Amino acid sequence: DAGVIQSPRHEVTEMGQEVTLRCKPISGHDYLFWYRQTMMRGLELLIYFNNNVPIDDSGMPEDRFSAKMPNASFSTLKIQPSEPRDSAVYFCASSSQGNGYTFGSGTRLTVV
Amino acid sequence: GESVGLHLPTLSVQEGDNSIINCAYSNSASDYFIWYKQESGKGPQFIIDIRSNMDKRQGQRVTVLLNKTVKHLSLQIAATQPGDSAVYFCAENTASNTGKLIFGQGTTLQVKP
Repeated sequence: DAGVIQSPRHEVTEMGQEVTLRCKPISGHDYLFWYRQTMMRGLELLIYFNNNVPIDDSGMPEDRFSAKMPNASFSTLKIQPSEPRDSAVYFCASSSQGNGYTFGSGTRLTVV
Repeated sequence: GESVGLHLPTLSVQEGDNSIINCAYSNSASDYFIWYKQESGKGPQFIIDIRSNMDKRQGQRVTVLLNKTVKHLSLQIAATQPGDSAVYFCAENTASNTGKLIFGQGTTLQVKP
């Protein structure tokens, strides 16, 4: 298995632009998570899905952030409009029935 | 509120020595714990996990100890190697099968050759 695949690895965008981060979970995993990592706040859970359904989005910072999971093999995290304070590394992770959480390599987002 | 905290932000050990990284958690209802290793520029990598019905679990060169009485978790690394240098996070699942992991702030392990 190729593991959790995220794209792009790096994204640099201008303030106000829309940013879309992508994730392909491990085949067969029924949970998908989006985390954000910064030096100040560490690893924060933004949202997670179970069987493609959003379960808890209480970690989503504000309405500028949205996440979708149209099918079991794909999820997106969108920021519109982006702001410099959104600069962080965004990780996607997946697990099977709450076990074996596996992280992707992350997307490093820089908003200038 | 729920929180997972690490006692030491940085741990420096000599190559070949054993390392112990500690973690305190606040939610007594947490029933599943995981230790992750994160190297620079990479995502967290699963090391070892333990469920609340156990107090010790061993892997290859690593041991996790769970003390539910004082809500304390530790990761022991035997014969620490330079490749063990990384940031280590503990994480707790605060409710069974919800999949929601809460991470601690992390401890940097530095291995001196």
